[in-house]
Amino acid sequence: AQSVAQPEDQVNVAEGNPLTVKCTYSVSGNPYLFWYVQYPNRGLQFLLKYITGDNLVKGSYGFEAEFNKSQTSFHLKKPSALVSDSALYFCAVRDQGNFNKFYFGSGTKLNVKP
Amino acid sequence: DTEVTQTPKHLVMGMTNKKSLKCEQHMGHRAMYWYKQKAKKPPELMFVYSYEKLSINESVPSRFSPECPNSSLLNLHLHALQPEDSALYLCASSKQGDSYEQYFGPGTRLTVT
Repeated sequence: AQSVAQPEDQVNVAEGNPLTVKCTYSVSGNPYLFWYVQYPNRGLQFLLKYITGDNLVKGSYGFEAEFNKSQTSFHLKKPSALVSDSALYFCAVRDQGNFNKFYFGSGTKLNVKP
Repeated sequence: DTEVTQTPKHLVMGMTNKKSLKCEQHMGHRAMYWYKQKAKKPPELMFVYSYEKLSINESVPSRFSPECPNSSLLNLHLHALQPEDSALYLCASSKQGDSYEQYFGPGTRLTVT
């Protein structure tokens, strides 16, 4: 069975500092991994995905993520955090038997303080 | 157009009411999804339509009834709901295929009284 884990309920970072939101995965084959962001009372917005190829994936709003197969991780990063990055972040992995099914992590609340 | 729209934004209904949620996309996506989300929790998959046919039902109670009238529209019919059904209901769509991401609507905030 596929799953993703987000070990931190909350991450606090000062504006201008680098940020990392952690995600680890468990799949039996090659994972298809996604990051989404959710602002209060809104739907989820797609940030980036790893399908194959370069382990460093660049996405929207200056975010990037590094796929690490040996550590089964897909951490989301940004070199310089903005207060407007404060939101709820979800990592997700696609089911390998049914590609219309996704498994979401529990979510990480990112707080960026001025 | 990369937008998924949902109506209404908010809905308050009694336990004996019948109401419907509507979702629309014009991106040509042939997979459409309904999720339920409680506060500060991840979305929970309810239903998936693939090429207008129901392909996944995650053992959702029959008081929730999905419908996909055409490739752009997705409805969720609600009847005899319980207070614990109060949540944010999210619609999403995607292209078919394993490398494609989902696009989510803003959701309908449902309160059952």
